[in-house]
Amino acid sequence: EAGVVQSPRYKIIEKKQPVAFWCNPISGHNTLYWYLQNLGQGPELLIRYENEEAVDDSQLPKDRFSAERLKGVDSTLKIQPAELGDSAVYLCASSLGLVDGELFFGEGSRLTVL
Amino acid sequence: QKEVEQDPGPLSVPEGAIVSLNCTYSNSAFQYFMWYRQYSRKGPELLMYTYSSGNKEDGRFTAQVDKSSKYISLFIRDSQPSDSATYLCAMRSTNRLAFGKGNQVVVIP
Repeated sequence: EAGVVQSPRYKIIEKKQPVAFWCNPISGHNTLYWYLQNLGQGPELLIRYENEEAVDDSQLPKDRFSAERLKGVDSTLKIQPAELGDSAVYLCASSLGLVDGELFFGEGSRLTVL
Repeated sequence: QKEVEQDPGPLSVPEGAIVSLNCTYSNSAFQYFMWYRQYSRKGPELLMYTYSSGNKEDGRFTAQVDKSSKYISLFIRDSQPSDSATYLCAMRSTNRLAFGKGNQVVVIP
């Protein structure tokens, strides 16, 4: 069974440029998460989807970050414009649900903003 | 006070030693407790999962939960170089999942 797939694995951009990350969750997983992980820190939730509905986006900086999950499957996280402080690893995870089921993480997309 | 506290200090131990990691939490709504292992440049993977106070063993790994003290622990017996990774505690309620900062563990051959 394929795991959570993320792309790109690495991205280097200049500040003020846009960037987008893509995530394909495990088939059948209704819940999809985007996490931000800074160096030496644990993952911090950006947004959680139940199917195509964003049910928790309270920590998403909406002035520059946006996300979508079309048809309740793949998801895209976008940053526009990127700032130096956005340099981090962006992790996507999926699970059968929030209450039950293990979270399966992708390998992450490492962003460097110069 | 953060919801989940995990002392992030790196830990270096000789091969074969017992590794002891712990987290404290403040939110009584947390009912499910997990330990994730994260290798360098990889995503976290679930290592242990428990929802009740007491001990749970899985091979060389033991997860311990004390809900009255809001304290959880992970023990790794007979540590191996392949155990070198960052270990994250995580806690879940019905509508929230929170992670600790993680402990970097290095097992020296």
